[in-house]
Amino acid sequence: EAGVVQSPRYKIIEKKQPVAFWCNPISGHNTLYWYLQNLGQGPELLIRYENEEAVDDSQLPKDRFSAERLKGVDSTLKIQPAELGDSAVYLCASSPGTSVHGELFFGEGSRLTVL
Amino acid sequence: GQQVMQIPQYQHVQEGEDFTTYCNSSTTLSNIQWYKQRPGGHPVFLIQLVKSGEVKKQKRLTFQFGEAKKNSSLHITATQTTDVGTYFCAGPWSGGYNKLIFGAGTRLAVHP
Repeated sequence: EAGVVQSPRYKIIEKKQPVAFWCNPISGHNTLYWYLQNLGQGPELLIRYENEEAVDDSQLPKDRFSAERLKGVDSTLKIQPAELGDSAVYLCASSPGTSVHGELFFGEGSRLTVL
Repeated sequence: GQQVMQIPQYQHVQEGEDFTTYCNSSTTLSNIQWYKQRPGGHPVFLIQLVKSGEVKKQKRLTFQFGEAKKNSSLHITATQTTDVGTYFCAGPWSGGYNKLIFGAGTRLAVHP
């Protein structure tokens, strides 16, 4: 069974440039998460989707971040414009159910460096 | 706001020594999960504890959930170099939304 697939794995951009990350969850997983992981820290939730609906985006900086999951399968996270402080690893995760009583399956992550 | 704290931040051990990391929540948790992240890798689920006082073992790893369901621990017996990585605990956010709050993790280094 294929795991959560993310691309690109690495991205280096100049500040003020846009960037987009793509995630394809495990087949059949209805819930998709985007997490931000700063160096030396645990993952922090940015947004959670149940199918195509964003049910928790309270931690997403909406002035520059946007996300979509149009058909309830794969998802894109965009930053425009990027700032120096956005340098981090962006992790996508999925789970088959909607409860916090289940395992999260993480992708390899997209490491962003903003110069 | 709700916090999930882990100690220590870092632990260096000689191969064969034991290791323990502690996780403390500011609120009562319905469950707690543990993840391991290898250097350069992504978090991988290890286990979930649900019951008060629950103890679960996975080979050399022993996980405990406190009686008050506000703390947990992970103990590794006779560490090996393959145990290197960062161990995170995570618990449900008390504000709902089915959201997990992760601790900052304990980074384990094992010297051969």
